[in-house]
Amino acid sequence: KQEVTQIPAALSVPEGENLVLNCSFTDSAIYNLQWFRQDPGKGLTSLLLIQSSQREQTSGRLNASLDKSSGRSTLYIAASQPGDSATYLCAVTGSGGGADGLTFGKGTHLIIQP
Amino acid sequence: ETGVTQSPTHLIKTRGQQVTLRCSSQSGHNTVSWYQQALGQGPQFIFQYYREEENGRGNFPPRFSGLQFPNYSSELNVNALELDDSALYLCASSLDYASEQYFGPGTRLTVT
Repeated sequence: KQEVTQIPAALSVPEGENLVLNCSFTDSAIYNLQWFRQDPGKGLTSLLLIQSSQREQTSGRLNASLDKSSGRSTLYIAASQPGDSATYLCAVTGSGGGADGLTFGKGTHLIIQP
Repeated sequence: ETGVTQSPTHLIKTRGQQVTLRCSSQSGHNTVSWYQQALGQGPQFIFQYYREEENGRGNFPPRFSGLQFPNYSSELNVNALELDDSALYLCASSLDYASEQYFGPGTRLTVT
């Protein structure tokens, strides 16, 4: 059974810092990995999708990497801003292609101090 | 905005009752998935529908059931509500079962 772990569970940093969020998964046979952002009580906003054949994806100040063989992904946020405060979730799709749904970690709660 | 909508936004039900939650997917998205998110946890996969047929299910009992309609709308039905069913229910649509999933804003269900 796939398990996804996110470290740290919570993080508080001053505005302007670069930061890294970590995600690990136990079964390397994945189809893709997605990073999401969730504001309190709201739905999920997709940030980046990395296919299993890719090593990284970039969008603006965000860069996500994937090392499938070691079961790890990182989300790098450059020049953090107070508006980046949210919970960040990573989720994997199994190699079956999605009929088992996404398996999520518990998330990293990020606070950017002004 | 993902183009995925859910209704209602909030709902309060009593233990033992039945509830129906609704989702409207992005036009052209043949796949809808439903997730349950308890407070402080990541979402848990309930089931997935592809072209109106259930094609995957997580570890949820049969009292959780669903429907998908040709007009890209879908329903999640929960019978015999229990207190532990209190959660945020999210639907997500995608082009197919392996594509990027786009989530709606969720329905907050409280069972008393």
